[in-house]
Amino acid sequence: KNQVEQSPQSLIILEGKNCTLQCNYTVSPFSNLRWYKQDTGRGPVSLTIMTFSENTKSNGRYTATLDADTKQSSLHITASQLSDSASYICVVSDRKSGGSYIPTFGRGTSLIVHP
Amino acid sequence: DSGVTQTPKHLITATGQRVTLRCSPRSGDLSVYWYQQSLDQGLQFLIQYYNGEERAKGNILERFSAQQFPDLHSELNLSSLELGDSALYFCASSAQWSTEAFFGQGTRLTVV
Repeated sequence: KNQVEQSPQSLIILEGKNCTLQCNYTVSPFSNLRWYKQDTGRGPVSLTIMTFSENTKSNGRYTATLDADTKQSSLHITASQLSDSASYICVVSDRKSGGSYIPTFGRGTSLIVHP
Repeated sequence: DSGVTQTPKHLITATGQRVTLRCSPRSGDLSVYWYQQSLDQGLQFLIQYYNGEERAKGNILERFSAQQFPDLHSELNLSSLELGDSALYFCASSAQWSTEAFFGQGTRLTVV
């Protein structure tokens, strides 16, 4: 069964500090991995997407890494801002025959940035 | 604004009833996805349509059904509603199967 595990479940940091969120997955066959940011009560917004051959991708202060061998990904946030307070969701998709992609969602890491 | 429109934003209904949630994808997007997000569950993939045809099915209950119309908008039908069906229901769209999906703002369903 495909699974995506995220850690920590929640995290509180001070504004300006860095943090790293983790994502471990058992999804096969692997297609791609995405990190989303979800503000409370709103739809998720994509931060990064990585395929098997990519091991790092940046989007401003967000940097995602992927180790396809160990099936781990991390999302590093630098110089955190109050607006970074949100849930961060790791989504790993496999590929079915016929070209369909089935996403498996992690439960998310809730990040709170304090002033 | 992601360009994906969901209606209604809020819905309150009684157990046993049936409701229809509507989604208009971004202009030009052929794929539509439906997700359920409960407080204790996180986002759950329900079903995907591509250009009117069902492409992938996730954890969708038999009481739930969906369809995508020729104009590419989609509807999610929820019947025989139970208290546990209370959740945020998100629709997302993408241009191709493998590209980024853009989420709507969701429909908050409350079953009382």
